[in-house]
Amino acid sequence: EADIYQTPRYLVIGTGKKITLECSQTMGHDKMYWYQQDPGMELHLIHYSYGVNSTEKGDLSSESTVSRIRTEHFPLTLESARPSHTSQYLCASSESRRGQETQYFGPGTRLLVL
Amino acid sequence: GQSLEQPSEVTAVEGAIVQINCTYQTSGFYGLSWYQQHDGGAPTFLSYNALDGLEETGRFSSFLSRSDSYGYLLLQELQMKDSASYFCAVSNTNAGKSTFGDGTTLTVKP
Repeated sequence: EADIYQTPRYLVIGTGKKITLECSQTMGHDKMYWYQQDPGMELHLIHYSYGVNSTEKGDLSSESTVSRIRTEHFPLTLESARPSHTSQYLCASSESRRGQETQYFGPGTRLLVL
Repeated sequence: GQSLEQPSEVTAVEGAIVQINCTYQTSGFYGLSWYQQHDGGAPTFLSYNALDGLEETGRFSSFLSRSDSYGYLLLQELQMKDSASYFCAVSNTNAGKSTFGDGTTLTVKP
């Protein structure tokens, strides 16, 4: 059982608001990721981190920002939400054992921007 | 860059066997993983192949051919609960992260 948590699970918010999606894991994983996924569609990597104070932009351009001040915590922030940000946001962390990288996903945050 | 191709949809009946293929292009290939995602849920890890050959885990098996840049996920004795999306993902030595395919939606019919 993976110990990775996301809050909130659901969020409905108005345009222009600042929001922070929380993600935390208790497995001590160095690598963490944020994906954006629309219903029935592919996963798009928007941010990742290899450890504390390390953050990188992913394959899909995003107006969000992330921080990694503690190993267990990887919050994602939208300074000014827009309807185009409506989507599901999945956080993941990973471990590598003998070259095998296994990603553990959180339950996701479903965001609706009105 | 990296790219993966897998079929967008597959339909099969209960009790049947289905194979979901994945071809990839990447530099510094390290391994191929498979994830399952039910509607409304989060992806969960199914299997991983770093070497050529077949890995079996219960009703699910995964195969890799590094020379062909090809792998597949084999699901046997299909059950209704196997209806889900299945993603292949490539990890490489350079990026240290996985790139996911677009996913295959499997529908199991009675």
